[in-house]
Amino acid sequence: EIVMTQSPATLSVSPGERATLSCRASQSVSRNLAWYQQKPGQAPRLLIYGASTRATGIPVRFSGSGSGTEFTLTISSLQSEDFAIYYCQPYNNWPPETFGQGTRVEIK
Amino acid sequence: EVQLVESGGDLVQPGGSLRLSCSASGFTFTSYTMHWVRQAPGKGLDYVAAISSNGGGTDYAASVKGRFTISRDNSENTVFLHMSSLRPEDTAVYYCVKAGPGGQYYFDYWGQGTLVTVSS
Repeated sequence: EIVMTQSPATLSVSPGERATLSCRASQSVSRNLAWYQQKPGQAPRLLIYGASTRATGIPVRFSGSGSGTEFTLTISSLQSEDFAIYYCQPYNNWPPETFGQGTRVEIK
Repeated sequence: EVQLVESGGDLVQPGGSLRLSCSASGFTFTSYTMHWVRQAPGKGLDYVAAISSNGGGTDYAASVKGRFTISRDNSENTVFLHMSSLRPEDTAVYYCVKAGPGGQYYFDYWGQGTLVTVSS
């Protein structure tokens, strides 16, 4: 089973600043990595798949990079609506059983 | 517009059973793998089960194998999760999730979730 480790657990950022979130896999997942955003009381929403492809309707300030075991989600200029929890998920194997534990992005 | 609407969540006693339903619309249901993912209060996301597009293949997390059964009715665009021998640790919001296109196993659409509470 692939283990996903996200860091940091909590990221304190001021509005307008850049946020960089990391996700590390215990073994290579190639570029089969997705990122999700979850706001309080809401279902998760797909942000990024294929490590770097934005999902439909996702603003350009969200970008993903990486391959193999190291991945990054960058939010170029944080907006108030971006404060949320972010999860990564590898999907190179069936079934896609694993999620990272999440990074909470909070207002500094 | 893709819509996934779950129902069936409830308060149930330990050892009890429950059936969740997910009604899908806005896409060709018969072409996609469907999944259930759950989230315990204040916790992260946990994969529960998956079913292939024709229902011929299923998979379960180790924590629910032998107790939960995923099924689908492609004539009604509905996926089900039959849960039995429920435990307090099964308490969670259960999300119905659609897999991505082209056999990709990321989750591109999520339902709003239905709450299952297992307590005496």
